[in-house]
Amino acid sequence: GAVVSQHPSWVICKSGTSVKIECRSLDFQATTMFWYRQFPKQSLMLMATSNEGSKATYEQGVEKDKFLINHASLTLSTLTVTSAHPEDSSFYICSARADPPRAEKLFFGSGTQLSVL
Amino acid sequence: GENVEQHPSTLSVQEGDSAVIKCTYSDSASNYFPWYKQELGKGPQLIIDIRSNVGEKKDQRIAVTLNKTAKHFSLHITETQPEDSAVYFCAASIVDAGNMLTFGGGTRLMVKP
Repeated sequence: GAVVSQHPSWVICKSGTSVKIECRSLDFQATTMFWYRQFPKQSLMLMATSNEGSKATYEQGVEKDKFLINHASLTLSTLTVTSAHPEDSSFYICSARADPPRAEKLFFGSGTQLSVL
Repeated sequence: GENVEQHPSTLSVQEGDSAVIKCTYSDSASNYFPWYKQELGKGPQLIIDIRSNVGEKKDQRIAVTLNKTAKHFSLHITETQPEDSAVYFCAASIVDAGNMLTFGGGTRLMVKP
């Protein structure tokens, strides 16, 4: 149990276009999902916390108009990178909190490698 | 806020030997400490975790120990195998305060056959 599916696994886009990444909890409902960014050989950086039915909470330094997060259902959160530029190229990973009694456990998606040309 | 430091950043061991990775945390309120394994190009996979009311937890070849007083916890892998080669991350969080994980910097483990 506790499978988190993330799509696409990789995407290449032109500078100035927008890219949407989906994160689904397959066998549990996730009230809260998290979005991370990871540069090569570095740790995971929390970008934002996504709560079902409400606005996302962004970490300091993360542009909310650049990285749009929508959590419209208990099993789906999306991250849209708007007007992508080469510096947005990175590995993006989502995670979801499991249901009680395992609510402290966070399970991660497989990640999305974004390359902006 | 919480700060988690992880050592070493790289670790090379011979197949069959043990590997130990150590982490320290700064916030004494943290009460949940998971360990993740990340293979190249994939998301982190939860391999073991421990709550602050427990000093040690074991799952087959993997064990985690926690010293609340010293605010450090360690991952122990025994009888290492080449497939254990990956990047390992420790993390800390406060379960009843949003459970946002603070990650350590990661350890690249290489198991030589």
